[in-house]
This record gives sequence, C-alpha cells and structure tokens, in this order.
Amino acid sequence: KAGVTQTPRYLIKTRGQQVTLSCSPISGHRSVSWYQQTPGQGLQFLFEYFSETQRNKGNFPGRFSGRQFSNSRSEMNVSTLELGDSALYLCASRTDREQPQHFGDGTRLSIL
Amino acid sequence: GQQLNQSPQSMFIQEGEDVSMNCTSSSIFNTWLWYKQDPGEGPVLLIALYKAGELTSNGRLTAQFGITRKDSFLNISASIPSDVGIYFCASPYRDDKIIFGKGTRLHILP
Repeated sequence: KAGVTQTPRYLIKTRGQQVTLSCSPISGHRSVSWYQQTPGQGLQFLFEYFSETQRNKGNFPGRFSGRQFSNSRSEMNVSTLELGDSALYLCASRTDREQPQHFGDGTRLSIL
Repeated sequence: GQQLNQSPQSMFIQEGEDVSMNCTSSSIFNTWLWYKQDPGEGPVLLIALYKAGELTSNGRLTAQFGITRKDSFLNISASIPSDVGIYFCASPYRDDKIIFGKGTRLHILP
C-alpha cells in the first residue's frame, strides 16, 4: 500500500513569492492534515481537510491556505513568503477521527 | 493552549542499553500516539494507545497509557544504532486537532 506522497521534496523561493505544495494521501484516507515543523517550534498544526472541507485550523496567518480535491489529494499554498516560513511542511492522512495519522516525508521549503 | 511535555529532550546512550522516555500533560487525553522521525523523513507511527493503563508492545518498543490519562511512557529495550532519531508523543484534543510534544532526541554512542 503506497504511503503519503508529498511533492516536491525540496523547494527554494525568495521573499514575497508564493508557493504551492502537494500531498497525495494513502488510498482510502479522506482526512489530510498539514503541519509546519521547525527546530524551535516543533510540529505545529496548520489545517485539516476532510471530504473537500476544512475541518480544523491552527493559528497561522491567512497567507497559509489549503484545499482538498474530490480524490482526497490536497494542496497547501503560502503567499507573500517570509524568511520565517522556511520549514519542513508535513502532510498526514487518516481514514477519519479517532484514527492515527500517517505522515509523508515532507517538503523542505527554504526562503532566501 | 494544551501542551505535551516530553522528557528528556535528548539522550546519549550506549548501544545495547534500555531507554525510557515520557510525555506528560496537565490535561486528560483519551489517546496517546508515539511517533519516530528519522533525519530527512516524516514521522512514522510506532504505537497507538487508546485505554488508560494499556501496555502495548511493538518489537523492542513498549508504551504505556498512564492510569491518570495525563501521561504516557515509551521504553526501548536493547537499543541498536537504527533507533537513533526523534521520538514524539502526540494526542488528539478539543476539535480533534492533534498536538505533538517537542520530541526526545535519541543518540547512540558507538
């Protein structure tokens, strides 16, 4: 069974640009969550999508947005990039609530 | 907000030693999850606990759901080099968001 797939694995952008990250969940998983991981803050929850609807949202500014498609694939977009957005962005999927999440290997975003 | 406090933050041990780490909170949780993250990869689920007092093993790993429901413990027996990595505890809370501890980084000395 294929795991969670995130693309691209690495990305370099400059301040002010925008970026879109992609996540394909495990087959049959309808929930997709996004996390930002930095050395100082650890894993911080961005948002969760379930059946194309945002179900939960963390405490990030509106520059961070996401969406989910009918096939459960999800994208995350960050606009007007700042240096502090440099991080590993992780996607996780699960079948539904009460079930543990399974993570992809992340997209390493570096802002110059 | 809710916090999961992991300790120790890092550990340096000899190969073959047993390892113990824990995760505590001031709040009660109904589920405890333990993940391991290797460099350059995403966290991998090791053990999931759903009942207070539950003791679950996965190979050399054993985790326990504390009786008070405010803590959980992870033990690794007879450590080997591939055990190196960061171990995270996690739990769903209000609105089913999942929160993570800051992790315990395990180093194994040759």
